[in-house]
Amino acid sequence: ETGVTQSPTHLIKTRGQQVTLRCSSQSGHNTVSWYQQALGQGPQFIFQYYREEENGRGNFPPRFSGLQFPNYSSELNVNALELDDSALYLCASSLGPGDYGYTFGSGTRLTVV
Amino acid sequence: GQQVMQIPQYQHVQEGEDFTTYCNSSTTLSNIQWYKQRPGGHPVFLIQLVKSGEVKKQKRLTFQFGEAKKNSSLHITATQTTDVGTYFCAGPGGNQFYFGTGTSLTVIP
Repeated sequence: ETGVTQSPTHLIKTRGQQVTLRCSSQSGHNTVSWYQQALGQGPQFIFQYYREEENGRGNFPPRFSGLQFPNYSSELNVNALELDDSALYLCASSLGPGDYGYTFGSGTRLTVV
Repeated sequence: GQQVMQIPQYQHVQEGEDFTTYCNSSTTLSNIQWYKQRPGGHPVFLIQLVKSGEVKKQKRLTFQFGEAKKNSSLHITATQTTDVGTYFCAGPGGNQFYFGTGTSLTVIP
């Protein structure tokens, strides 16, 4: 059983650019959620996908968007990058939304310069 | 919006001492989950509590969910250096999932 894998592990982008982060969920999991974690802070919920539909969203602007594919893998897209978007982006998958524990990937460290 | 606060923010203990972190939500939670994040790592799921007043144990860790389902605690007995990390409580609220502010535990050998 493979866990949650994220790619890339590190990324440097310039302000104003766009970025796509990818996540493969754990086998058997149909729910994927994305989090932004700034240094020294707790994970902040961006959004969640359940069976390819967005079923929850945190307080992030529309330039943060996502997708979930039929195999339950997922993408996080961020447009018009800002310096404050520099953070660790974590993907987590679970057996269902909210009622099961989440398995986290190792994250993508995004630096915006 | 919903807030999930944890105290203390930081805790330094001598190895062998006990440790407790407290979690308080501004709204009732259907369940509470606990995660541990080692320095430089990612959150790892520890446990989920669902019932009011529920108490669960994992070896030296004891988790409790409050009667009103708005607070929770994690107690570690006789800490070890392997317990170092940040402990987060988390739970669903509306269509979001909230993590607490975390308690960073340092264990001094």
